[in-house]
Amino acid sequence: AQSVSQHNHHVILSEAASLELGCNYSYGGTVNLFWYVQYPGQHLQLLLKYFSGDPLVKGIKGFEAEFIKSKFSFNLRKPSVQWSDTAEYFCAVNVGNTGTASKLTFGTGTRLQVTL
Amino acid sequence: EPEVTQTPSHQVTQMGQEVILRCVPISNHLYFYWYRQILGQKVEFLVSFYNNEISEKSEIFDDQFSVERPDGSNFTLKIRSTKLEDSAMYFCASSDTGVYGYTFGSGTRLTVV
Repeated sequence: AQSVSQHNHHVILSEAASLELGCNYSYGGTVNLFWYVQYPGQHLQLLLKYFSGDPLVKGIKGFEAEFIKSKFSFNLRKPSVQWSDTAEYFCAVNVGNTGTASKLTFGTGTRLQVTL
Repeated sequence: EPEVTQTPSHQVTQMGQEVILRCVPISNHLYFYWYRQILGQKVEFLVSFYNNEISEKSEIFDDQFSVERPDGSNFTLKIRSTKLEDSAMYFCASSDTGVYGYTFGSGTRLTVV
């Protein structure tokens, strides 16, 4: 079964600082990778996803992530964070192809706090 | 943008009572899911549903839980006899492909007292 590790549990950054959140997964085969954001009191929103092709994926709100297959990693980055990026960030993985009800397996999340 | 709608947003129930959490998935989606998030913990998969039957369920999804798509639009999660440890945020999600695109609802916060 697949699993996801997020090593940073709580990150505090000043506005305009650069962000990198780590995500590693464990699975022997092909995976699909996701980053979700959860603003306080809100539902999960998709930031970006990777299925195949260019390992550098760009998402919404200026976020990007790089899939490094040899390291089983999918780290999330943003060059300059804003106060409004304060939220919880979840890395997730699933396996399977179109036509299967594939579940998402989530990491434990990283709480990002951006200070002014 | 299409949304997944969940009701109620917050439910308080007494231990041992039955609760039904409701979800209206996106209309052309075929795959449906329930996840839960205990406060301060990660989001956990409960069950997936496709073609009017359960596709997969986790070990959390025991005999106290059931899902149903009663009328072709709603997707419900029933907990027969709630326990204190069932207190959590329950998220419904739907997908058109089953793999690539999931839309989550805003969640139902269930508090068991």
